[in-house]
Amino acid sequence: DIQMTQSPSSLSASIGDRVTITCQASQDISNYLSWYQLKPGKAPKLLIYDASTLETGVPSRFSGSGSGTDFTFTISSLQPEDIATYYCQQFNNLPLTFGGGTKVQIK
Amino acid sequence: QLQLQESGPGLVKPSETLSLTCSFSSGSISSPFYWGWIRQPPGKGLEWIGSVYSSGSTYYNPSLKSRISISVDTSKNQFFLKVNSVTAADTAVYYCARHRGRGWYPLDYWGQGTLVTVSS
Repeated sequence: DIQMTQSPSSLSASIGDRVTITCQASQDISNYLSWYQLKPGKAPKLLIYDASTLETGVPSRFSGSGSGTDFTFTISSLQPEDIATYYCQQFNNLPLTFGGGTKVQIK
Repeated sequence: QLQLQESGPGLVKPSETLSLTCSFSSGSISSPFYWGWIRQPPGKGLEWIGSVYSSGSTYYNPSLKSRISISVDTSKNQFFLKVNSVTAADTAVYYCARHRGRGWYPLDYWGQGTLVTVSS
């Protein structure tokens, strides 16, 4: 199985701050990586796919980069509605695997 | 906008079978997409359980393969999850979702999830 190591597991930031989350794959997954946003009681939301492609309708303050084994997810200016837990996921190999998640809170 | 909805018992006894249904609001399950199940135990991360194509082809997480079954009913536009011999470790929020295409694509539509508790 491909292990996805995501960090940090949680972070606190102020409104307007730049937030960065990293995800490292245990082997090369090319750009077969997605990022999801989870909020309690809501359907999870796809934000980024193919490592850097923004899903339709997702605000441009969200971005992704990387390829191979190292990936980064960035919120350029944190907004109150961005409080959530974020997960990376690889879809290069079965079984599909997720990172451990990053809980983003307001400082 | 496609909407998916999970349904099923919220409480299952240990050693019994957990059964969930995923229904969706528009389109056809016979469209060229894979359909998947994902779960999240309390306080833990996401785990892919498995996925199915409308033809009935299934793909399971090896960690669960011996206990799970995923199937489709094209006439009802639904797909299903069964987990046998459940234990407390199967307590989780269970999500159904759609892969973007026929293959290993991102999960672009998800249900809100349903909490299943395994307890006597």
